[in-house]
Amino acid sequence: GENVEQHPSTLSVQEGDSAVIKCTYSDSASNYFPWYKQELGKRPQLIIDIRSNVGEKKDQRIAVTLNKTAKHFSLHITETQPEDSAVYFCAASIRNEKLTFGTGTRLTIIP
Amino acid sequence: EAQVTQNPRYLITVTGKKLTVTCSQNMNHEYMSWYRQDPGLGLRQIYYSMNVEVTDKGDVPEGYKVSRKEKRNFPLILESPSPNQTSLYFCASSHRDTEAFFGQGTRLTVV
Repeated sequence: GENVEQHPSTLSVQEGDSAVIKCTYSDSASNYFPWYKQELGKRPQLIIDIRSNVGEKKDQRIAVTLNKTAKHFSLHITETQPEDSAVYFCAASIRNEKLTFGTGTRLTIIP
Repeated sequence: EAQVTQNPRYLITVTGKKLTVTCSQNMNHEYMSWYRQDPGLGLRQIYYSMNVEVTDKGDVPEGYKVSRKEKRNFPLILESPSPNQTSLYFCASSHRDTEAFFGQGTRLTVV
């Protein structure tokens, strides 16, 4: 089955700097790659997703890149703000049928 | 309001006492899943369902049962809970190829 590895497990960045979280996946058939943000005590919520026919997608300060050949994808957050502090999960699936999640990255923004 | 509703939110039970965690969605989603979240392990899929009467095992199905008799409901059943099933549980639903919406979570403690 699919295996998703996520790094780093913790990340601290100064407010205003950029943060990058990286994930690799094992199943070349995976074609849907969402990123979820989970604030303390809350449910995971989708922040951005990308499909295998696209190499990059951007939404304001958040961007995701996908390298199908290398089987890795990354989340980029620019101009970080205190409200970006949370746990971020990457995931991979084939047509959203069976989402496999990474182990999460705890992002802390230092004011 | 579109939502996924889990009940109960918190549950403390004793080893061996059967319990059911309910999950209901009002978005007419075909896909529903159950995950458990444990520190350092991320979100691991227990079971998923692609439609009514269609269920399949996820990555950690042992000790759990599910059923999908109606499209909106996907209960998680622990027939004989054990302490290693103490965890935070999330139900999620989605259409094919779209965002998965998560319930509020159920924190289960088995003593």
